[in-house]
Amino acid sequence: DQQVKQNSPSLSVQEGRISILNCDYTNSMFDYFLWYKKYPAEGPTFLISISSIKDKNEDGRFTVFLNKSAKHLSLHIVPSQPGDSAVYFCAASNFGNEKLTFGTGTRLTIIP
Amino acid sequence: ETGVTQTPRHLVMGMTNKKSLKCEQHLGHNAMYWYKQSAKKPLELMFVYNFKEQTENNSVPSRFSPECPNSSHLFLHLHTLQPEDSALYLCASSRREDYEQYFGPGTRLTVT
Repeated sequence: DQQVKQNSPSLSVQEGRISILNCDYTNSMFDYFLWYKKYPAEGPTFLISISSIKDKNEDGRFTVFLNKSAKHLSLHIVPSQPGDSAVYFCAASNFGNEKLTFGTGTRLTIIP
Repeated sequence: ETGVTQTPRHLVMGMTNKKSLKCEQHLGHNAMYWYKQSAKKPLELMFVYNFKEQTENNSVPSRFSPECPNSSHLFLHLHTLQPEDSALYLCASSRREDYEQYFGPGTRLTVT
């Protein structure tokens, strides 16, 4: 029973264009969402997060959108750069719970 | 530098061996975690320690034995493992009051 789903295992985007990574969740108790980025032979690195009281959070080239009614969030990267090529994980948690529930990841490849 | 280090980075062990994985965090955090990442699966939480006390054991087989002597160090003792235990083992830390977890680079474990 996977509570956090990333249905696209891979995505290729031209350099300079927008990358959109998607994540769906099933547990309505989740109220905090995070995106992590992982390079080969390294651990995941925290990228950006959003609380359920917001529908958008922006940090430089990265923006996360949350649609609570659809139980869907997305990560937008614009403009995409070659260094953005990595595996991106979506994760979710709820207040008072230190556990993070992760998706299976999406491998993003930026084409020069 | 992530602030969370793990040793060894790679480990090959036989099913009758006993070995230990080590994690150290230099971030002043008070919660530490062990995760398992198998191919094409989400990160699976194994254990959680808060202020050196184990607060979560996610139905992990007893052949995995965690130890947290202080808030900065976390060990995972391994004995009589099975080939299906081959995976990337990731350590993470956080402040107890925060959702964001910071990961080490992982130990790639192969059980032969």
